[in-house]
Amino acid sequence: EVQLVESGGGLVQPGRSLRLSCAASGFTFDEYATHWVRQAPGKGLEWVAVISWNSAGIGYADSVKGRFTISRDNAKNSLYLQMNSLRPEDTAFYYCVKDNQRLAQGGYFQHWGQGTLVTVSS
Amino acid sequence: DIQMTQSPSTLSASVGDRVTITCRASQSISSWLAWYQQKPGKAPKLLIYKASSLESGVPSRFSGSGSGTHFTLTISSLQPDDFATYYCQQYNTYSPWTFGQGTKVEIK
Repeated sequence: EVQLVESGGGLVQPGRSLRLSCAASGFTFDEYATHWVRQAPGKGLEWVAVISWNSAGIGYADSVKGRFTISRDNAKNSLYLQMNSLRPEDTAFYYCVKDNQRLAQGGYFQHWGQGTLVTVSS
Repeated sequence: DIQMTQSPSTLSASVGDRVTITCRASQSISSWLAWYQQKPGKAPKLLIYKASSLESGVPSRFSGSGSGTHFTLTISSLQPDDFATYYCQQYNTYSPWTFGQGTKVEIK
């Protein structure tokens, strides 16, 4: 069974940093691209970032470009999101998502974690 | 970026009803469209990919159709477990992934 377990969320002040982690199991992690998708409380879904199976392909939404960094460690079956210069509008549930294929483009979101809540507030 | 527009935003229906949700893309995405179901407090779940392909384990009462810019998700006979919010998503190769704003299916 595919499992994606996010951690690292919490309350953080504007301008500060936070690092999210996602532990993957139940599939061959290094054969799939993975994403971060977020959802502000009571709002819709917003794609945040993608990383290909070998980290060669990376992409970001314009709203986070230059502030967030996605990375992965295939030896540890883990995905990360380093979030810097956080803003109140970054407040959301952040989901770790497994793609259906290995590239950082053209895939759909096959499996989702349960999410971790990030709250940016003073 | 490609904009996705769903209609209606909210839909009231009864158990046993046939329900149709529409999704329109701002430009052609061929058949690169997925549908997700989200229940309160839960993560989204993949229902349909490539516009009309049913994900493994998803009940056959769910079906998708369309291509280009116009797509539909149909639930042939609404069940109690189907009351949820539904999102369409495009995954065209040369564009960032984008979602529709969601359609909430409520009990009538």
